[in-house]
Amino acid sequence: EVQLVQSGAEVKKPGESLKISCKGSGYSFASSWIGWVRQKPGKGLEWMGIIYPGDSDSIYSPSFQGQVTISADKSISTAYLQWSSLKASDTAMYYCARLQHDSYGVMSGVSYFDFWGQGTLVTVSS
Amino acid sequence: QFVLTQPPSVSGAPGQRVTISCTGSSSNIGAGFDVHWYQQLPGTAPRLLIYRNNNRPSGVPDRFSGSKSGTSASLAITGLQAEDEADYYCQSYDSSLSALWVFGGGTKLTVL
Repeated sequence: EVQLVQSGAEVKKPGESLKISCKGSGYSFASSWIGWVRQKPGKGLEWMGIIYPGDSDSIYSPSFQGQVTISADKSISTAYLQWSSLKASDTAMYYCARLQHDSYGVMSGVSYFDFWGQGTLVTVSS
Repeated sequence: QFVLTQPPSVSGAPGQRVTISCTGSSSNIGAGFDVHWYQQLPGTAPRLLIYRNNNRPSGVPDRFSGSKSGTSASLAITGLQAEDEADYYCQSYDSSLSALWVFGGGTKLTVL
């Protein structure tokens, strides 16, 4: 059974750093792209970026490039999302999700998020 | 602002049929890229409902179906049930510089 288990809720102050995690099991973690998706309170889903744990190749949404860092440790089947200096506007639920694609690759236009983590709530407040 | 446009809300009585539209452009749905749908029950993570336009993952009832035409796609739910009350999101791929994996703004389905 494919599972993505995320780290617990965090409460931080503006300017602090944070790293949240997403541990995969039940499939070949190193061979599947993992994405991060933000959901602000009461709002929709926003794609942030993806990473291929096998070689740590990553692609960021222009909206999040330079704002966050996505990484992975394939030896422990875990992906990470980190901030160096949080802002109040980073308050949101963050989901990791496996990106499924066809044999033509992740950018062939058919890829979708087939399994999702339970979410990590990040609250940034002074 | 979301690249894919969905109605903010739809509603229907139990047993009825409802549809949710998802309108894109020539850089995403109109370019031939697939559309996928997710269901988000209150307080839970999204789950895949329809993939590659009209395919249901194992465990999704056949009351849910998807279609795509031109620059738009639709999710249809027949035999509406109270447990279907949730937020629904469409997703596609976009070849412009804005973002690659794009979502609609979401539609809140209310079962009357």
